[in-house]
Amino acid sequence: EIVLTQSPGTLSLSPGERATLSCRASQSVSSSYLAWYQQKPGQAPRLLIYGASSRATGIPDRFSGSGSGTDFTLTISRLEPEDFAVYYCQQFGDSPRFTFGPGTKVDIK
Amino acid sequence: EVQLVESGGGLVQPGGSLRLSCVASGFTFSDRHMDWVRQAPGKGLEWVGRISNKGSSYNTEYAASVKGRFTVSRDDSKNSLYLQMNSLKTEDTALYYCASDSGYWSLDYWGQGTLVTVSS
Repeated sequence: EIVLTQSPGTLSLSPGERATLSCRASQSVSSSYLAWYQQKPGQAPRLLIYGASSRATGIPDRFSGSGSGTDFTLTISRLEPEDFAVYYCQQFGDSPRFTFGPGTKVDIK
Repeated sequence: EVQLVESGGGLVQPGGSLRLSCVASGFTFSDRHMDWVRQAPGKGLEWVGRISNKGSSYNTEYAASVKGRFTVSRDDSKNSLYLQMNSLKTEDTALYYCASDSGYWSLDYWGQGTLVTVSS
């Protein structure tokens, strides 16, 4: 089973700053199978990025994804007030089908 | 507008059973593989199980933590997804989301969740 590790656990930033979130897999993951979600308190997760770098429908272009192999990154170029949330990476595999990282909380500094 | 609406959660004693439902609208439910994902209070996301579409023979798959106790099913005529949960344990306490596979190895539509609490 592939294990995903996210860092940092918490990222304290101010609006307008750049956020860089890391997701590391315990073994190589196909880029096609790597996704990122945003979750705000009391809400369901929202798909941001699929295929490591493709934005989901309606996602602003300040969100971008990159990476390959075992190291993937979600970048938010300029934080807006609504971007403060928890972010999860996810990989699709044989068993279990979906594995999620523990999450990175982006909070206001 | 896409909607996934879960129901059926509640308080149940350890060893008990519960059946969750999820009704979909706004997209072609029958085309999609469908999944259940849960989130324990204050914790992260855990995939529970999935059922494929008719084209993939309604194949079901489960996380090791629920295999043999939970069953995923669907009724395409009712745009509905179900999760039958038996032999419930306290560690099954969570908010249960239904979600739709986007076709790109990710989950693009999510419901708001239904809370299951397993406690004596």
